[in-house]
Amino acid sequence: GAVVSQHPSWVICKSGTSVKIECRSLDFQATTMFWYRQFPKQSLMLMATSNEGSKATYEQGVEKDKFLINHASLTLSTLTVTSAHPEDSSFYICSARPPGQGLETQYFGPGTRLLVL
Amino acid sequence: GQNIDQPTEMTATEGAIVQINCTYQTSGFNGLFWYQQHAGEAPTFLSYNVLDGLEEKGRFSSFLSRSKGYSYLLLKELQMKDSASYLCASMDSNYQLIWGAGTKLIIKP
Repeated sequence: GAVVSQHPSWVICKSGTSVKIECRSLDFQATTMFWYRQFPKQSLMLMATSNEGSKATYEQGVEKDKFLINHASLTLSTLTVTSAHPEDSSFYICSARPPGQGLETQYFGPGTRLLVL
Repeated sequence: GQNIDQPTEMTATEGAIVQINCTYQTSGFNGLFWYQQHAGEAPTFLSYNVLDGLEEKGRFSSFLSRSKGYSYLLLKELQMKDSASYLCASMDSNYQLIWGAGTKLIIKP
């Protein structure tokens, strides 16, 4: 099956620093990738939809200047949390939608756990 | 508004059967998903229903009633490794997933 990787899997950073998370589709080209955030014991919340070669579409309430998304190639999307604060500590998960398959198809990455001190 | 409801936690015995219910209200409907999520890991796909009825896949089955906005996930012959959270998600008219908070399933020996 299709594989999506994320790097890093764990990151601890100081408040005020920026953190970049990578999401890669390893064996397929993904024109669309999704970024989710999940707080403990809560549901996944879609943050933004990333389309290769164009600007990301952010969900209501998500600051686009704080969560920078770049989908520069068909296999890579990055999420940069700028000036991270403790309340940004969360589990960040990406998913990728391969072309040529139904729109219901998404493959999830393993997630990145961010802890901001 | 859009809403997904599922129980917060359920407990079952190893070898038994458990049914996890989910009700949904979304803007448009393009299918109902069930995912399994172990603690600290990303969700893994279990099932997708877009038509009414029961879909069976090994020990796991999923049922959908679109008229009632209702689905359930049925797990048979429970194993200890089935202890996890089970997430119900509805795909809306924009093909975006609307997620429930998940049902934590505890399996006891």
